[in-house]
Amino acid sequence: DTAVSQTPKYLVTQMGNDKSIKCEQNLGHDTMYWYKQDSKKFLKIMFSYNNKELIINETVPNRFSPKSPDKAHLNLHINSLELGDSAVYFCASSQGYRDAFFGPGTRLTVL
Amino acid sequence: SQQGEEDPQALSIQEGENATMNCSYKTSINNLQWYRQNSGRGLVHLILIRSNEREKHSGRLRVTLDTSKKSSSLLITASRAADTASYFCAFGGADGLTFGKGTHLIIQP
Repeated sequence: DTAVSQTPKYLVTQMGNDKSIKCEQNLGHDTMYWYKQDSKKFLKIMFSYNNKELIINETVPNRFSPKSPDKAHLNLHINSLELGDSAVYFCASSQGYRDAFFGPGTRLTVL
Repeated sequence: SQQGEEDPQALSIQEGENATMNCSYKTSINNLQWYRQNSGRGLVHLILIRSNEREKHSGRLRVTLDTSKKSSSLLITASRAADTASYFCAFGGADGLTFGKGTHLIIQP
C-alpha cells in the first residue's frame, strides 16, 4: 500500500494558469508538509499542517495555498503560475515532528 | 538561515569502500535525520538520531552527532552500486524539517 501518494506525477502548464496538486497519506499521521525541490536539488519547506494549525514559510508567495479537507489530505493550490514555480513538489507526513514519509513528487513545468 | 551544510557536495568511490558524509547546522535541534533520494524519486528516511544521542547504527549505516560542534556524519560501510543516490541531512523542528543541500554519492562498480 502506498503510504504517501501525490497526483499528478507530472504537470505541464502555461504561465498564469491555476493548478492543484493532491496529496493523501494513509499512515494516520497528524502532520503533513509540502516541500519544493529546485533544479539544484535544494529542498525547502513550504508549509506544515498539524491539527488545523498551519505554519507557513514566510518566503512562500501567497499564490500558494494548502487546503486540508481532512487529516489524511493536504492539497496544494497554486494561482497565477510563474516560470520560477517550475520544480518538483513533495508532500510528506509524520507523526508529530519525527521522521517524515515522502510522496513520490510532482514535477511541475511552467511554460 | 537554519539550512544545513553538507560536505562533500559529491563523492565518487569504488564499490566495497566506505563512504562518509558530513553535515553541519547552526541552531539547536531536537533530532537530526538522514534521508536518501534516488534519481527522480522521493526521499526515503534512513535514520534518526536524537539530540541526546551520540551514535546510532542501522545495518551498514552509522550516524554520529556532535552537538557541541553542531555536526553529524553518515558512514555507509561496504558500499554497493545500489547506494548511488543523493543523501540529505535534516533537522527536526516545530515547523517541519530543514534540509541540507545534500551529498551526491556515486558508487562505481
